[in-house]
Amino acid sequence: NAGVTQTPKFRVLKTGQSMTLLCAQDMNHEYMYWYRQDPGMGLRLIHYSVGEGTTAKGEVPDGYNVSRLKKQNFLLGLESAAPSQTSVYFCASSRTGLAGIPDTQYFGPGTRLTVL
Amino acid sequence: GEDVEQSLFLSVREGDSSVINCTYTDSSSTYLYWYKQEPGAGLQLLTYIFSNMDMKQDQRLTVLLNKKDKHLSLRIADTQTGDSAIYFCAESIPAGNTPLVFGKGTRLSVIA
Repeated sequence: NAGVTQTPKFRVLKTGQSMTLLCAQDMNHEYMYWYRQDPGMGLRLIHYSVGEGTTAKGEVPDGYNVSRLKKQNFLLGLESAAPSQTSVYFCASSRTGLAGIPDTQYFGPGTRLTVL
Repeated sequence: GEDVEQSLFLSVREGDSSVINCTYTDSSSTYLYWYKQEPGAGLQLLTYIFSNMDMKQDQRLTVLLNKKDKHLSLRIADTQTGDSAIYFCAESIPAGNTPLVFGKGTRLSVIA
């Protein structure tokens, strides 16, 4: 099993450009998540998905869109990148969020994005 | 709302014990977790504890939970330089469809 993979690993964008980050998991997990990590801010949840075809907003959804067309993939899109979106982006997946079952999240290695 | 608080930094000498503390606000948490993030990498699950337990031990790691005070701690015995990382506390809230709530992370520095 590869676990959770993210592409690309690094990217530099100019302000106003668009891009899509891809997350893939091979563990048949229902839940998938996108976080951003900034110094002193910890992890902040951008969007998440509780199953194929569903998405929900997290703590900091503005400026991002997501899609979960296939269970194993979760895409994060930036339509018009801004310098404030310079960050490290992490994808994660988990089996389920039901009470009584550990909601252990498995993380990808991250994508470092710089917006100039 | 849910909130998880941790101190941001901890520095210990190699061979000493490290204790990383965490407080949380939601008394209905079912599971509490510790994740480790090494430089340039994603988060890795270290251990978790069910909310009806007081303690869990796993080799050099001891997790203590004080449910009354909503306080969770991670003790690392015989801390090594390889333990230098950021440690995140997280809580799981029941009723499904709710992601984990993470603290901001504690950066542990181990001095040789």
